Amino acid sequence: QQQVKQSPQSLIVQKGGISIINCAYENTAFDYFPWYQQFPGKGPALLIAIRPDVSEKKEGRFTISFNKSAKQFSLHIMDSQPGDSATYFCAATPRGANNLFFGTGTRLTVIP
Amino acid sequence: NAGVTQTPKFRILKIGQSMTLQCTQDMNHNYMYWYRQDPGMGLKLIYYSVGAGITDKGEVPNGYNVSRSTTEDFPLRLELAAPSQTSVYFCASSGLAGVNEQFFGPGTRLTVL
Repeated sequence: QQQVKQSPQSLIVQKGGISIINCAYENTAFDYFPWYQQFPGKGPALLIAIRPDVSEKKEGRFTISFNKSAKQFSLHIMDSQPGDSATYFCAATPRGANNLFFGTGTRLTVIP
Repeated sequence: NAGVTQTPKFRILKIGQSMTLQCTQDMNHNYMYWYRQDPGMGLKLIYYSVGAGITDKGEVPNGYNVSRSTTEDFPLRLELAAPSQTSVYFCASSGLAGVNEQFFGPGTRLTVL
């Protein structure tokens, strides 16, 4: 049973475009929602994270939008660059725990 | 700081063989984790540890064992390898409770034939 559902599975975007990846969850005990970025042959690395007391968090070209009532959150990559080509995972952690439940990943390709 | 290191990088096992995947972190983190990554499935937690001497099962623990005798090391043991254990294995660590960022190692690609 996948606790965090992620879409799309793959995404192709032109350089300079906006990449949008969506995630949804059911468990209301989740209270920390990170996004991890993974390049081929490497381990995932934290990109940006949000807690449910805010609806948006922005770091440079990366923004998380969070809708608590809908139990959905999304990653927006503005001005997408070829160097952003990677696999992106959303995740969630229950309150009081450190365990991460990952989505199934989105392979992003940014075409020059 | 090397961060989280894993050995070996690659390994091929025959069905029924055993092996230990090594994981070491030099960040003095209390929490350590083992994940497996399968295509299209994301990462699934196998086992985790909240400190030396304390381990607990994750989502997919069957066929694996762990130990945590020191803060730095968290080895993962496969006793009787099966083709279903073909995967990429990642070790990760994180600091105190509430500091949720997990730092991942480079992974071990394991094939069971």
